Amino acid sequence: NAGVTQTPKFQVLKTGQSMTLQCAQDMNHNSMYWYRQDPGMGLRLIYYSASEGTTDKGEVPNGYNVSRLNKREFSLRLESAAPSQTSVYFCASSEGPDTGELFFGEGSRLTVL
Amino acid sequence: AQKITQTQPGMFVQEKEAVTLDCTYDTSDQSYGLFWYKQPSSGEMIFLIYQGSYDEQNATEGRYSLNFQKARKSANLVISASQLGDSAMYFCAMRGTYSGAGSYQLTFGKGTKLSVIP
Repeated sequence: NAGVTQTPKFQVLKTGQSMTLQCAQDMNHNSMYWYRQDPGMGLRLIYYSASEGTTDKGEVPNGYNVSRLNKREFSLRLESAAPSQTSVYFCASSEGPDTGELFFGEGSRLTVL
Repeated sequence: AQKITQTQPGMFVQEKEAVTLDCTYDTSDQSYGLFWYKQPSSGEMIFLIYQGSYDEQNATEGRYSLNFQKARKSANLVISASQLGDSAMYFCAMRGTYSGAGSYQLTFGKGTKLSVIP
């Protein structure tokens, strides 16, 4: 009963390094999302994928890229990490872009030095 | 643009008392959904309750109820009989109507930290 699984859970990067956050869901959901959570800011949508084969920008997409690899998997890539990208990242999924609640992964804490 | 406002950064409530967490929203969509999530100190996001904009009845889930006042654009969460385990951050969220690429509106408020006092 895994739900939404994110890896890694913790990562420390140096400025300029790249990395990919992986996310997989086993609920046969159509829509997937990447959020970042910063103190006092709540959750802000980075990118989303309404359905397999589509991706689109959210509120704060700069510095990130995404890939919807298949229906199950949605990855988030930081090409050249910056200290401003230090945050907790959450992947989520839902039945559709406007149906069902969002199910969240456990979060990935990223620190960029 | 879509917006969620939670005006209470922090709240205290006595154990076994009821508490209301405020949430107001702004949208031009006719069809939308409102959610509440709980985030304990361990960090996971736990879905609590959902209200659709066309639902006539206020949503309830156990000790949680959503006081939906459409004309006032408010969707307050009411927790009855507070327990120590209710101490957490609470986020109100809104989802608008999806009509294709670039149209999606899915917004969270900044949260309210609830502390339950024994």
